[in-house]
Amino acid sequence: EAGVAQSPRYKIIEKRQSVAFWCNPISGHATLYWYQQILGQGPKLLIQFQNNGVVDDSQLPKDRFSAERLKGVDSTLKIQPAKLEDSAVYLCASSFRQGASNTGELFFGEGSRLTVL
Amino acid sequence: AQSVTQLGSHVSVSEGALVLLRCNYSSSVPPYLFWYVQYPNQGLQLLLKYTTGATLVKGINGFEAEFKKSETSFHLTKPSAHMSDAAEYFCAVSDRDTNAGKSTFGDGTTLTVKP
Repeated sequence: EAGVAQSPRYKIIEKRQSVAFWCNPISGHATLYWYQQILGQGPKLLIQFQNNGVVDDSQLPKDRFSAERLKGVDSTLKIQPAKLEDSAVYLCASSFRQGASNTGELFFGEGSRLTVL
Repeated sequence: AQSVTQLGSHVSVSEGALVLLRCNYSSSVPPYLFWYVQYPNQGLQLLLKYTTGATLVKGINGFEAEFKKSETSFHLTKPSAHMSDAAEYFCAVSDRDTNAGKSTFGDGTTLTVKP
């Protein structure tokens, strides 16, 4: 079974530029998450999707961050305009194959490392 | 709101020595508890989880953790460290049932294993 795919792995941009990250979750996983991991910290939830609907985006800085999962499968996270403090690894995770027990385990991609100069 | 505290951002042990990584959580109801491992330039991988039942849970690579409700702890142990265990370890907590998966993570503990 293929894991969670993310791209690009690395991105360097100037502040005020825009960037987009793509995630394809494990096949059949209904729930998709975007986490932000700043160096030296644990992952922080940005947004949670259930199929193609947003469940929780309370921690997403909506003035500059946006995310979508239009067909309930893959997802895109966009930052526009980027700030220096957005330098981080953006992790995508998926979970919960519908019909199975939801025990909360997350399956992570390798992450997209963003450097804002 | 849930929170997770990992005591010690860096732990160093000798190869063959006991590994003990500490995790305490706060939650209004008994949560699901997890330990994840992260190797350099990789995503997080589940080591083990506690959902219900036996409070001592065994995971991959010889790791185990014990859920102690009275102490609100979920410490991770391994009897004998191996060089390949060097990585960053994250403790996480999530609500049960429909909200499971929306995990809150600690800030991680970097494990160094000395030869």
